[in-house]
Amino acid sequence: DVKVTQSSRYLVKRTGEKVFLECVQDMDHENMFWYRQDPGLGLRLIYFSYDVKMKEKGDIPEGYSVSREKKERFSLILESASTNQTSMYLCASNPTRSNQPQHFGDGTRLSIL
Amino acid sequence: GENVEQHPSTLSVQEGDSAVIKCTYSDSASNYFPWYKQELGKGPQLIIDIRSNVGEKKDQRIAVTLNKTAKHFSLHITETQPEDSAVYFCAASHSTLTFGKGTMLLVSP
Repeated sequence: DVKVTQSSRYLVKRTGEKVFLECVQDMDHENMFWYRQDPGLGLRLIYFSYDVKMKEKGDIPEGYSVSREKKERFSLILESASTNQTSMYLCASNPTRSNQPQHFGDGTRLSIL
Repeated sequence: GENVEQHPSTLSVQEGDSAVIKCTYSDSASNYFPWYKQELGKGPQLIIDIRSNVGEKKDQRIAVTLNKTAKHFSLHITETQPEDSAVYFCAASHSTLTFGKGTMLLVSP
């Protein structure tokens, strides 16, 4: 079974802090994705990566960056956290460029105070 | 870009009834349409998907239909059970997934 693991279930940070959210997948998938999930807005794509050291902007990249130094690990970075970045963050992966099912982690609920 | 509309936002049914959730999409180039179920405290989990060369797909109590001309697709759950209670998301994709806003399904015993 594919496992996508997000390092923290809950995280509380302060405004202005640099925040790292980590995601690891164990199935050698090429593609990895970061979404944020807000009530009434569904899932929105922040950034994605098709390969190591590659990154592509999603629909809402402002205020975020990503890092993919190894194939199995995809990090989301909030350079200077703001209260409007309080949200549930979901990581996902899938195996190829063509449309294949994405496998999700259980999410990190991030609160910025 | 792609825009996916999902209705209804909430749906309450009695155990044993059928439930239908509908989605429309805007990009005629979209060719992959997955449905995800999200239980409380968990990430979304794929329950069924359909590609644009197929009009209907069924997996036990779950079925999905696709009308490419009208750009809409629907999820049908028959003989609902309390464990079907969850939030359901549709999505459409040409390259990346665009999700609907979700439907909270409540199945009462």
